[in-house]
Amino acid sequence: EVQLVESGGGLIQPGGSLRLSCAASGFTVSSNYMSWVRQASGKGLEWVSVIYSGGNTYYADSVKGRFTISRDNSKNTLYLQMNSLRAGDTAVYYCARIDSSGWFLPYWGQGTLVTVSS
Amino acid sequence: DIQMTQSPSTLSASVGDRVTITCRASQSIGSWLAWYQQKVGKAPKLLIYKASSLESGVPSRFSGSGSGTEFTLTISSLQPDDFATYYCQQYNSYSTFGQGTKVEIK
Repeated sequence: EVQLVESGGGLIQPGGSLRLSCAASGFTVSSNYMSWVRQASGKGLEWVSVIYSGGNTYYADSVKGRFTISRDNSKNTLYLQMNSLRAGDTAVYYCARIDSSGWFLPYWGQGTLVTVSS
Repeated sequence: DIQMTQSPSTLSASVGDRVTITCRASQSIGSWLAWYQQKVGKAPKLLIYKASSLESGVPSRFSGSGSGTEFTLTISSLQPDDFATYYCQQYNSYSTFGQGTKVEIK
C-alpha cells in the first residue's frame, strides 16, 4: 500500500528556515516523479516543486531560489528545504507522487502546516 | 503559464441533484486534465484523469468530459458524501490548478 507521511512543519519567524520531510512506503521514491503542493488556509492548491526520477527539479516562480527539493534514497524520503521564509509561504504542504503517465496526483500525504509569523 | 478557470465558485445543490462543474483553460491542453475532490482538513483525492478516465475506486456517478479548452465534471446524483470542494488541474504544460468549486448543501 502506498503511504506518504509528512513531518517538519511548525511556526517559524520570517526569514527563517525549515525542512519538511515526506517518508514514503509501498514504492520507491527515486523511481518516481515526486512533488510538493501547498494550500494556504481557505485558498486553492499551488504547485511548489517537482523532482524527476532522474534528479532534475522544477520550482514555482514564487519559491525559486529559496526552496530546494531533494530525496534520500536510503531512507526513501522526500525533502523540501525552505529558506528565507515569508508570511506568504504560510500553508499546508502536501507531498504527492506524480503518476507515471502524466503530472496528475493519485497519492497524497496528509499534509504538514507551516506558519510563518513573528 | 496556462490559467485554469472554474465555474461556478460555489454551487448549492440537494441530494439526488445532477451537478456539473466547468473548467476552462487559457489555451488548449488536449485531454491532459484531472479532477480532485477535497474535504475540509483532508488531502485532495483524485477522481478523474485524462479528462474522462475514472480513477480506480471512484463511484461511477462521477464522470468527466471535454478536450481542448473546456471541460466538465458531472455528478449524476449527488450523495451526502459528495459535499466538498472540487479542483481541476491541467498537466499539459507543467501543471496548474483551478481555483476550486465548493459544492454545498442547498
